[in-house]
Amino acid sequence: NAGVMQNPRHLVRRRGQEARLRCSPMKGHSHVYWYRQLPEEGLKFMVYLQKENIIDESGMPKERFSAEFPKEGPSILRIQQVVRGDSAAYFCASSRDDRGHEQYFGPGTRLTVT
Amino acid sequence: KQEVTQIPAALSVPEGENLVLNCSFTDSAIYNLQWFRQDPGKGLTSLLLIQSSQREQTSGRLNASLDKSSGRSTLYIAASQPGDSATYLCAVPGGTSYGKLTFGQGTILTVHP
Repeated sequence: NAGVMQNPRHLVRRRGQEARLRCSPMKGHSHVYWYRQLPEEGLKFMVYLQKENIIDESGMPKERFSAEFPKEGPSILRIQQVVRGDSAAYFCASSRDDRGHEQYFGPGTRLTVT
Repeated sequence: KQEVTQIPAALSVPEGENLVLNCSFTDSAIYNLQWFRQDPGKGLTSLLLIQSSQREQTSGRLNASLDKSSGRSTLYIAASQPGDSATYLCAVPGGTSYGKLTFGQGTILTVHP
């Protein structure tokens, strides 16, 4: 049973470009979470999705960031017009449900904005 | 708003020592508490999950306890080894949704031979 998969593992973008980060949850998991880890800072929640629904986006910046988890395919975190402050590690996690079950994390995507 | 604090921020010990990492949280209405390990430049590995109804959970040399009423959890590592060197994070769900994890800042552990 493969774990949570994220790609790409490393992504370099110039200021103003778009970044697309992908996450495939563990088999049997329908709940996906995105977290961001800024340099020298802790992990912060961004958004929680189930298939075709955003459940909680309270941690996501209002501008330039969006997330989706379509019926088919991986979850996508999209950052438009990236700025240097977006440089961070973005982690995806998945779980079977949101009550009492562990969240399993992917290896992360390290975004560098030049 | 849930806040999670971990003490100490960093810990350096010789191999073989038993050690305790501490985690405290402000809102005791939690479903569970999860301990993770993060190696430099890597993702998070789940170590232990304690449900709110449990007092402790064990896996190998690791033992985690939970005292919901006082808002505290401890992670006990027995007979530490250099391979245990990593950042240890605790996290609790809740807030705007049950799926949202709030993390502590972590304890950076170094075990030297």
